[in-house]
Order: sequence, then C-alpha cells, then structure tokens
Amino acid sequence: DAGVTQSPTHLIKTRGQQVTLRCSPKSGHDTVSWYQQALGQGPQFIFQYYEEEERQRGNFPDRFSGHQFPNYSSELNVNALLLGDSALYLCASSRETGGEKLFFGSGTQLSVL
Amino acid sequence: QKEVEQNSGPLSVPEGAIASLNCTYSDRGSQSFFWYRQYSGKSPELIMFIYSNGDKEDGRFTAQLNKASQYVSLLIRDSQPSDSATYLCAVDRGSTLGRLYFGRGTQLTVWP
Repeated sequence: DAGVTQSPTHLIKTRGQQVTLRCSPKSGHDTVSWYQQALGQGPQFIFQYYEEEERQRGNFPDRFSGHQFPNYSSELNVNALLLGDSALYLCASSRETGGEKLFFGSGTQLSVL
Repeated sequence: QKEVEQNSGPLSVPEGAIASLNCTYSDRGSQSFFWYRQYSGKSPELIMFIYSNGDKEDGRFTAQLNKASQYVSLLIRDSQPSDSATYLCAVDRGSTLGRLYFGRGTQLTVWP
C-alpha cells in the first residue's frame, strides 16, 4: 500500500517564476491538505481539498492555488515566486469520514534563487 | 499569542534518561492533540495522539493532556540516540481533520 507520494523531491526556481507541485494521497484517502514548512519552523497550513474543491484555506496569498482531481490527487501552484517561498512543501492526506491520522508525504524542497 | 507554543530548545539528554517536551495552546476549544517526530530533511511522522485529559502510554512514549491548563506534554523514557530529532506539537481545533496548528518544534539530542 503506497503512502502519500509527492513530486518532485527537489526543485530550484528563480524569483518571478511559477511552480507546480504534485501529490497522490494514500489509498482510501479523499482529503488532501498542503503545508509549508520554512527552515526552523513548524508546518503552516496552506489549504485543504475535498471533492475537488478548496474547503479550507490558511493565511496565504492568492499566488498560492491548488487543484484536486477526480482520483483525489492534488496539485499546488505558486505564481510569481518570492525568495521567501523557499521551504519544504508537505502534502498530507486523510479520510473525510473519519480516521485519526494525518499521513504526510516526504515533501518537496523548493529553493527560490 | 501563537496558536501553539513549545518549550524552547534545543534539549539535550543522556542515553537512558527521560526527555520531557512541553506544549501549550491558545484555543480552549481544541479537541485533538498530536506529537510528530521529524528527522532532519524528512517529513513529520506521527508518534502519539491524545484526545482526553490524562495520560496515554505507547511503549516508551507517554502523552499527557491537561485541557484546563491548555497544556500537552510528551515524555520519552529510556531515551535512545535514535530519538534525536525535532518534535512537533500539533493541535486540531475541532475543524475537519487535516487542518492542524503546529508549534515550531523542539530539537532533542540524545547523547550516548
């Protein structure tokens, strides 16, 4: 049983560029959340997708957007990259109907130069 | 005031000792509490969760919750060098599972 998978593992971009990160949830999970973890900080909630819609959103600008596909996989898009967007981006999946565990993927390390 | 605050680290203990990690939270309505372990460069791994006041034990780990004091702790008994990692406290405020509020973590080093 595959867990949460994220791609790519590492990414280097320059300021102003756009980036797309991908996530496949754990089998049986239908809810995907994205978190940003800056160096030395705890993860910060970006948004959550369920039934292909953004259901909750944290305090992140509109440059951060996402999508969920019918197979529950998800994408995180960041436009107009800033140096401060450099971080580990974590995808986490769960089941809407229950489950007390949030499963994290291995993350995408984004560096903005 | 931050949603979740953890005791400042880093914390360093000898092998075999008890490591004590502390966390406070601001929202009195919070319902679920989690401890994650994160090795350097890796993703967080859930090690304990607790919902009710009191203690919950799992092997060498004990989570303690005091909702009146808005306080959560994690005790690691018989600490091993492999326990060296950053420990993240996270709180679910009662919204749909998936939105957690994390502290910034406490770095633990267990020396042989």
